[in-house]
Amino acid sequence: GAGVSQSPSNKVTEKGKDVELRCDPISGHTALYWYRQSLGQGLEFLIYFQGNSAPDKSGLPSDRFSAERTGGSVSTLTIQRTQQEDSAVYLCASSLGSLGLGNTGELFFGEGSRLTVL
Amino acid sequence: GQQLNQSPQSMFIQEGEDVSMNCTSSSIFNTWLWYKQDPGEGPVLLIALYKAGELTSNGRLTAQFGITRKDSFLNISASIPSDVGIYFCAGLRGSQGNLIFGKGTKLSVKP
Repeated sequence: GAGVSQSPSNKVTEKGKDVELRCDPISGHTALYWYRQSLGQGLEFLIYFQGNSAPDKSGLPSDRFSAERTGGSVSTLTIQRTQQEDSAVYLCASSLGSLGLGNTGELFFGEGSRLTVL
Repeated sequence: GQQLNQSPQSMFIQEGEDVSMNCTSSSIFNTWLWYKQDPGEGPVLLIALYKAGELTSNGRLTAQFGITRKDSFLNISASIPSDVGIYFCAGLRGSQGNLIFGKGTKLSVKP
């Protein structure tokens, strides 16, 4: 597709269950980001992948959160033993990578995966 | 950690009015970006600023990168109903890495 694709768009789960959220970035984009947006809040950085470099995991809120990016393309965000405070919209974004040479630094966002933990 | 303080938190204005919102930080950023988020959508880039003091326009939007590199403002002139949404500022310290976002300004426009 032309844009960043995320699935599922909505996920309702019970407390304690594991969930996986998927992101398919724009083809050719080397950088991939996960952000979390809680109701009425801004975008909270979770994790950043850039090419083959080690990911920047500094934003992950706990060890229940992990993310992988396979083959430099698709990424999966996994939340284990979900808690009610994990309820939020999880946004994925991709970009061309480093600024310069025509790259404005623009992040292209998907529509998000809305997670509700009961 | 790094924080961007964005204000106001929300605005209710009449169609045709001008709007101003700003973002400040205790840290220096090399790049400032302004995004808009419509309901149910991901944020979309409006304006990007790369140089201290830079003033950039995009239609009815004008944004400036503060001289100290610690602040930025966004102005919207002659607002219209489709300007409704949440506006986010975002800062980048180097040439790559994660963008730090403000908490957003929610704009409501009365026709």
